[in-house]
Amino acid sequence: DTEVTQTPKHLVMGMTNKKSLKCEQHMGHRAMYWYKQKAKKPPELMFVYSYEKLSINESVPSRFSPECPNSSLLNLHLHALQPEDSALYLCASSQGVTGKGDTQYFGPGTRLTVL
Amino acid sequence: AQTVTQSQPEMSVQEAETVTLSCTYDTSESDYYLFWYKQPPSRQMILVIRQEAYKQQNATENRFSVNFQKAAKSFSLKISDSQLGDAAMYFCGGATNKLIFGTGTLLAVQP
Repeated sequence: DTEVTQTPKHLVMGMTNKKSLKCEQHMGHRAMYWYKQKAKKPPELMFVYSYEKLSINESVPSRFSPECPNSSLLNLHLHALQPEDSALYLCASSQGVTGKGDTQYFGPGTRLTVL
Repeated sequence: AQTVTQSQPEMSVQEAETVTLSCTYDTSESDYYLFWYKQPPSRQMILVIRQEAYKQQNATENRFSVNFQKAAKSFSLKISDSQLGDAAMYFCGGATNKLIFGTGTLLAVQP
């Protein structure tokens, strides 16, 4: 099973809402990632978890809060977002803990719209 | 620091023909990996091909092959016998401690 799943597929939220994105993989991978992708742009790394510990935070605003409850699950908690945060949020996982040379497997993404 | 540059925003190829997508990669690290990912419209990103920088042999994967010129920092993707399903955005990526993508090349395949 080489699948990364993400829920929900679409999310519309107001600037005062609190919501969460969920990502799940059952490949036994030890590294998981959150990326943000604007239309017609490449994915931009936000966070990296290795062995359920946050290893990279790309200076992401605190209104984005990642969480890794276990090795298969990755959440992204959203609070007080801005309209410019509207984007496709991609989750990925890889076997290696650094993700240095290991193939990252991407989920289908959550399309987020902030009103 | 690492940079990935794709200079072709859009490319077009006739079905069954061959097309080459360009990418250059720069890093001060000696140990790095290079990737090509494909993102079809409204579909998820999938790996096309992967190259270890320390390997001189160019990677191949069925109709997809790379031309890795380490000294020139060039990592181009050749798609042979192009198919309609190859139409997608192609991102070149380089990884040292993290994966960085180029700006992408949108490939259209004409029937």
